[in-house]
Amino acid sequence: DAMVIQNPRYQVTQFGKPVTLSCSQTLNHNVMYWYQQKSSQAPKLLFHYYDKDFNNEADTPDNFQSRRPNTSFCFLDIRSPGLGDAAMYLCATSGRTEGTDTQYFGPGTRLTVL
Amino acid sequence: AQKVTQAQTEISVVEKEDVTLDCVYETRDTTYYLFWYKQPPSGELVFLIRRNSFDEQNEISGRYSWNFQKSTSSFNFTITASQVVDSAVYFCALRLYSNYQLIWGAGTKLIIKP
Repeated sequence: DAMVIQNPRYQVTQFGKPVTLSCSQTLNHNVMYWYQQKSSQAPKLLFHYYDKDFNNEADTPDNFQSRRPNTSFCFLDIRSPGLGDAAMYLCATSGRTEGTDTQYFGPGTRLTVL
Repeated sequence: AQKVTQAQTEISVVEKEDVTLDCVYETRDTTYYLFWYKQPPSGELVFLIRRNSFDEQNEISGRYSWNFQKSTSSFNFTITASQVVDSAVYFCALRLYSNYQLIWGAGTKLIIKP
């Protein structure tokens, strides 16, 4: 089945220690998104890639960066995690960014910062 | 400005009862899309339905049905004969035709008691 995969499902890191979350997709979608979701809140878009074009949301902290080495994979790097970065991180994909476009989500990575 | 309101923060019903989750949206655009996603305790956001602004037909999928009314800017979701597995947070979201961003409601936590 075509799907969005996120690894690991749970990640524990220490305050200030860099961490990388990964996302892969078998949907062959052009667009990949990273969201942050804190408890009891709606997801918040951090950035997205349309093919290799990177689009950062205006209020995404510099501490968050992303890489997309190919169509299938996308990584979220948190350079110096703070306690406030503990959250669920969701990856999503879509065929394009306009028109009848639906975002499909992976299972998420729950990040704990100690 | 666009906005999605899910006024019900939490709903609790007994299994087999019918339940309706409300979603009210605001936009001045004429072409837009409305979505419902389900987020069970595991955390994955599961796509349920997309509706475009030109299609006001109600939709039924098994025990799920959706009522889209442009006159009241509402896109309500009804679960018939609810089951414990329906327990989740349900998000309504709006996307404009030419914009990649999903505008999320705050979510409604649905608890189905056995």
